[in-house]
Amino acid sequence: QMQLVESGGGLVKPGGSLRLSCAASGFTLSDYYMSWIRQAPGKGLEWVSYISKSGTTIYYADSVKGRFTISRDNAKNSLYLQMNSLRAEDTAVYYCARDTYNQFTGGSWGYMDVWGKGTTVTVSS
Amino acid sequence: EIVMTQSPATLSVSPGERATLSCRASQSVGTNLAWYQQKPGQAPRLLIYGASTRVTGIPARFSGSGSGTEFTFTISSLQSEDFALYYCQQYNKWPPLTFGGGTKVEIK
Repeated sequence: QMQLVESGGGLVKPGGSLRLSCAASGFTLSDYYMSWIRQAPGKGLEWVSYISKSGTTIYYADSVKGRFTISRDNAKNSLYLQMNSLRAEDTAVYYCARDTYNQFTGGSWGYMDVWGKGTTVTVSS
Repeated sequence: EIVMTQSPATLSVSPGERATLSCRASQSVGTNLAWYQQKPGQAPRLLIYGASTRVTGIPARFSGSGSGTEFTFTISSLQSEDFALYYCQQYNKWPPLTFGGGTKVEIK
């Protein structure tokens, strides 16, 4: 059964840091492009970051650029999100999600077919 | 950035009735549009991609249509388990990937 499990969330003060992890099982992480998506309390979904299979192509939302760093360790079947300089507006449930393979380009489509259950990040003093 | 707008924000429907949700893109996304369902406390679940292709295992009562800037998601006969939030997402031009604000389908 394909599964993603996030961890590392918690309560942090403004300006602080957290590192989120996402462990994949039931499939080989290195075969897939991956994204982080977040959802603030009572709000909609916001894409945060994307990483290619090898880690050579990385994208960020403007709202987190320069503060967050996405990475992956394919040997450990794991995805990460290092979050620095956290702000109150970063408070959200953070989901890792598997992107779908685009057989025409060899890249990813951009829609997500497997999601983790999420980990909650609360930024508050 | 492509802005996705969903309407209505809330849709009140009786079980067994039809629900029709709309999603509009600020510029053409072709058919590069996905629909997700989210229930309280759960992660989103992919239902439809390519504007109209159902994911394997998704019941036929769920359907999607449209292209360009106007899209429709329909649940032909609402079941109790269908009351949830629904999001559209474009993947035609990114980054960033962008989602609509969601439509809550509630019991009338």
